Amino acid sequence: QVQLVQSGAEVKKPGASVKISCKASGYTFNNYYIHWVRQAPGQGLEWMGRFNPTGDSTRYAQKFQGRATMTRDTSTSTVNMELSSLTSGDTAVYYCARDRGTGAVFDYWGQGVLVTVSS
Amino acid sequence: DIVMTQSPDSLAVSLGERATINCKSSQNVLYSSDNRNYLGWYQQKPGQPPKLLIYWASTRESGVPDRFSGSGSGTDFTLTISSLQAEDVAIYYCQQSYSSPSTFGQGTKLEIK
Repeated sequence: QVQLVQSGAEVKKPGASVKISCKASGYTFNNYYIHWVRQAPGQGLEWMGRFNPTGDSTRYAQKFQGRATMTRDTSTSTVNMELSSLTSGDTAVYYCARDRGTGAVFDYWGQGVLVTVSS
Repeated sequence: DIVMTQSPDSLAVSLGERATINCKSSQNVLYSSDNRNYLGWYQQKPGQPPKLLIYWASTRESGVPDRFSGSGSGTDFTLTISSLQAEDVAIYYCQQSYSSPSTFGQGTKLEIK
């Protein structure tokens, strides 16, 4: 069965970076884009960007351009997302999600990673 | 960016009754080359990731009960739950994937009356 398993919760200081991993299993890793979506406490969903495991192409929301970096480790079917220059406004649950392949809707999601940015 | 606006923000419906959630996009999300609306609906329960219910505005995802249906085209869309069940209590989000960045509505909280 398809699974996306994310790394554990993180606590970071302002100005630091965080790297979150998303390990895929149960399907052909290269065949589906992986997207990242975040959700601040009690708030809605915000799309951050997407990663194409075939060819490593990325697309970021303008808001995260220059601050977010998505990479892959094909040997472990893992996509990583690093976010730098953290502020308290980056405190959120970060989800990875698989693109269904029918126009950037997301059929499988990771469990989410809470990133807390606090001094 | 396309702005997605849902209404109402919250909704209370009796068990077995119909629930209707609306979603309006600031721009057309109908792609003329394939005549598909790039609009999805998700359900999110507390402490869980969102779950895909509907894509292409009206296509139900595999395994989603048929009491959930989507309709609409262009800029105006609706998610309907035909007969509310207790397990449908959740927050519902619409999402456009017509243009980047993909954007979500603010969410509609559905409760039991």
